Amino acid sequence: QLQLQESGPGLVKPSETLSLTCTVSGGSISSNSYSWGWIRQPPGKDLEWIGNIFYNGRTHYNPSLKSRVTMSLDTSKNQFSLKLSFVTAADTAVYYCARVGETLLVEWLDPWGQGTLVTISS
Amino acid sequence: DIQMTQSPSSVSASVGDRVTITCRASQRISSGLGWYQQKPGKAPELLIYAASSLQSGVPSRFSGSGSGTDFTLTISSLQPEDFATYYCQQANSFPWTFGQGTKVEIK
Repeated sequence: QLQLQESGPGLVKPSETLSLTCTVSGGSISSNSYSWGWIRQPPGKDLEWIGNIFYNGRTHYNPSLKSRVTMSLDTSKNQFSLKLSFVTAADTAVYYCARVGETLLVEWLDPWGQGTLVTISS
Repeated sequence: DIQMTQSPSSVSASVGDRVTITCRASQRISSGLGWYQQKPGKAPELLIYAASSLQSGVPSRFSGSGSGTDFTLTISSLQPEDFATYYCQQANSFPWTFGQGTKVEIK
């Protein structure tokens, strides 16, 4: 059974870079059948898609965050990562990683990691 | 960006009730829609993909329909474990966007 687990600092200072890692178990991130995504949810608010990274390293980012986001793969560790630079309090959120699958030419997010709360504060 | 609008924002229902949630896209998205259930403090879980396909392991009381701009999630007979917030999400074009959520509460 595929499982994903986010990890990283729970507190980041404003203007610094938020760095998170998603460790995948029960499957390989190198599979060309799937890509991998990041989604966030500010406390009490709605879900926001951050971006996806494909098995070959190709990425799609949300334009609202594109200038600050970098995603990468580490196939040797079966992990993928998210970096968000120049953070502000508005970036405080629970960050989720998820597998992106595709059926009938439609993509979906499943499963998700449990999420990790990142607070931006000095 | 494609805007996803869910209605209602909340619904009060009893166990055994039929519950319907709608999601409207600001432009046509074919069948590129998923429905997710989120319980407090937990990650969302996929219920329906491609507008009407039931994800493996999801009870058959959940169903989805629609295409183009208008979509529906139906719970045929609400169970205690179904009280949660439900989100639609379009995956037809980037950037992917979510609806604002519908909270299903106990009446």
